[in-house]
Amino acid sequence: DAKTTQPPSMDCAEGRAANLPCNHSTISGNEYVYWYRQIHSQGPQYIIHGLKNNETNEMASLIITEDRKSSTLILPHATLRDTAVYYCIVRVDDMRFGAGTRLTVKP
Amino acid sequence: ETGVTQSPTHLIKTRGQQVTLRCSSQSGHNTVSWYQQALGQGPQFIFQYYREEENGRGNFPPRFSGLQFPNYSSELNVNALELDDSALYLCASSATSGSWDEQYFGPGTRLTVT
Repeated sequence: DAKTTQPPSMDCAEGRAANLPCNHSTISGNEYVYWYRQIHSQGPQYIIHGLKNNETNEMASLIITEDRKSSTLILPHATLRDTAVYYCIVRVDDMRFGAGTRLTVKP
Repeated sequence: ETGVTQSPTHLIKTRGQQVTLRCSSQSGHNTVSWYQQALGQGPQFIFQYYREEENGRGNFPPRFSGLQFPNYSSELNVNALELDDSALYLCASSATSGSWDEQYFGPGTRLTVT
């Protein structure tokens, strides 16, 4: 029970923004939204997290809707090295990863 | 590089056997979590240890157990191996319990049960 829904796969052109959506319609008021990614043959890597405000760091931006039922991870200038599986996670007492979105960045 | 190492990289065991997987956390990280990742799926939380005590557990049976040592190393033990235990096992360390944004994952141990 991952509590999130993500498209199974997406493509993005190199240099363009990658916008990865996530639905979390049953999110509770005190639950954070976390994003991790997993590049092939590596362990997951933390990207960003947020509660209700939009967040930005050196890797990405996180846009959370006002009702908090969905969010979008934005990679502003995708590179080939951003090809990975991206997981949107609503933190409960543990980290429940779903199947994620497989993002393929193409030249 | 996250500074988290795991051993062995790959392992093949027979159904019914027992296995011990090892993880070395970043220095100063007193929290370690273990995950199981089946092929094509996301990681599933097994349990977390904080200061050598179990501090939360996912939906895994008691034959999955762990140990954490004062030297920032930890173990995942699985008894009576089943075919469905074949997976990538990941450990993740963090400086404080519940710091899900500060988890640093190791590269994993791929276990195959035949």
